[in-house]
Amino acid sequence: DGGITQSPKYLFRKEGQNVTLSCEQNLNHDAMYWYRQDPGQGLRLIYYSQIVNDFQKGDIAEGYSVSREKKESFPLTVTSAQKNPTAFYLCASRPGPSADTQYFGPGTRLTVL
Amino acid sequence: GQSLEQPSEVTAVEGAIVQINCTYQTSGFYGLSWYQQHDGGAPTFLSYNALDGLEETGRFSSFLSRSDSYGYLLLQELQMKDSASYFCAVRGGSGGYQKVTFGTGTKLQVIP
Repeated sequence: DGGITQSPKYLFRKEGQNVTLSCEQNLNHDAMYWYRQDPGQGLRLIYYSQIVNDFQKGDIAEGYSVSREKKESFPLTVTSAQKNPTAFYLCASRPGPSADTQYFGPGTRLTVL
Repeated sequence: GQSLEQPSEVTAVEGAIVQINCTYQTSGFYGLSWYQQHDGGAPTFLSYNALDGLEETGRFSSFLSRSDSYGYLLLQELQMKDSASYFCAVRGGSGGYQKVTFGTGTKLQVIP
């Protein structure tokens, strides 16, 4: 089945550790996105990528890093510089320039202890 | 930058009609989308408007007025399962046509 997978669903880390969240899609979509969602809040854009080996900062990129070495994969690293990393992280993809539907993965809930 | 405003909460009765409004500010506009998210789940796409007017998809309709930077989502024949958060999202802005920014969401509670 085609879709977007994120792993793991729940992740616990100690404060000061970097952690990488996985996002894989087999939809052959060009654009991929990372959002952060805090309880009762909307989705805030962290990073997005329009094509392989290219990505742009979103609205809250500080403390995060990404890579896009393959079309299918867009991993997000939450670094120790991120002050409040505990949140629900959602990855999404979009087919192409004129498409407006974003397809979301199931999300990773990160808790930093 | 971009900003979107939605009401934070709306309550409606089962079987009724509810309208969720969204106003936006953006330096470049390519379309307004609507997403539904149930608690603990991922957002799912509902509707999209690039041009002025009404788009209908089953019980859901979405409207856009680009001159007013305004849109709304209309849910008809409300069902209990429609209780969820609804987000408007705008594509465009200073980050280019691929950037998608979401509103803060409207929590809809459907009551019997």
